[in-house]
Amino acid sequence: QITLKESGPTLVKPTQTLTLTCTFSGFSLSTSGVGVGWIRQPPGKALEWLALIYWNDDKRYSPSLKSRLTITKDTSKNQVVLTMTNMDPVDTATYYCAHITPSYYDILTGYYKGNWFDPWGQGTLVTVSS
Amino acid sequence: EIVLTQSPATLSLSPGERATLSCRASQSVSSYLAWYQQKPGQAPRLLIYDASNRATGIPARFSGSGSGTDFTLTISSLEPEDFAVYYCQQRSNWPIFTFGPGTKVDIK
Repeated sequence: QITLKESGPTLVKPTQTLTLTCTFSGFSLSTSGVGVGWIRQPPGKALEWLALIYWNDDKRYSPSLKSRLTITKDTSKNQVVLTMTNMDPVDTATYYCAHITPSYYDILTGYYKGNWFDPWGQGTLVTVSS
Repeated sequence: EIVLTQSPATLSLSPGERATLSCRASQSVSSYLAWYQQKPGQAPRLLIYDASNRATGIPARFSGSGSGTDFTLTISSLEPEDFAVYYCQQRSNWPIFTFGPGTKVDIK
């Protein structure tokens, strides 16, 4: 069974750097095709993908937030860490981490399958306020 | 940038009724589309991936269809636990992932 849990501060001040940790179990980030992503959701609003990291240390970021984000992994601790610099009140949101289903080539359809967020952690609410 | 539009924004139905939710992409995403369910205070849950495949443990009353730019999530007969917000998500232009604004299914 795959589980993930986010941890970090619940309150940060404007201009500060946010550091969130995703601790997971039930899979290894050293297994080919596996990844972990971060998604956030402002109160009452829609979901927004932020970043992801794969087993081979391939890192990808949302273009709109790329300059502020850094994602890293610690395979031995089963953790993924996301940092976001220069926090602003508009960054107030619930931050989720999620397992990314392994990608594979489907020879029957000619498509690459996988790469979906499943399952998700419970989320952690981060408020940005002075 | 691929933009996803969901309609309607809110769907008011009674238990036992059929729910039909729409997701439209601003350009073709092939079959690279998923549907998630989110209940209040909970994390999203994957329902459908690759447009029409049910995720593990998802009841058969949930089905997905479509390809290209137009997709549909159908709940054949609403159960009380199905009243929630539903999001579509595309990964056609990987590694960019985008979500739609959501459709709320509430009790009429």
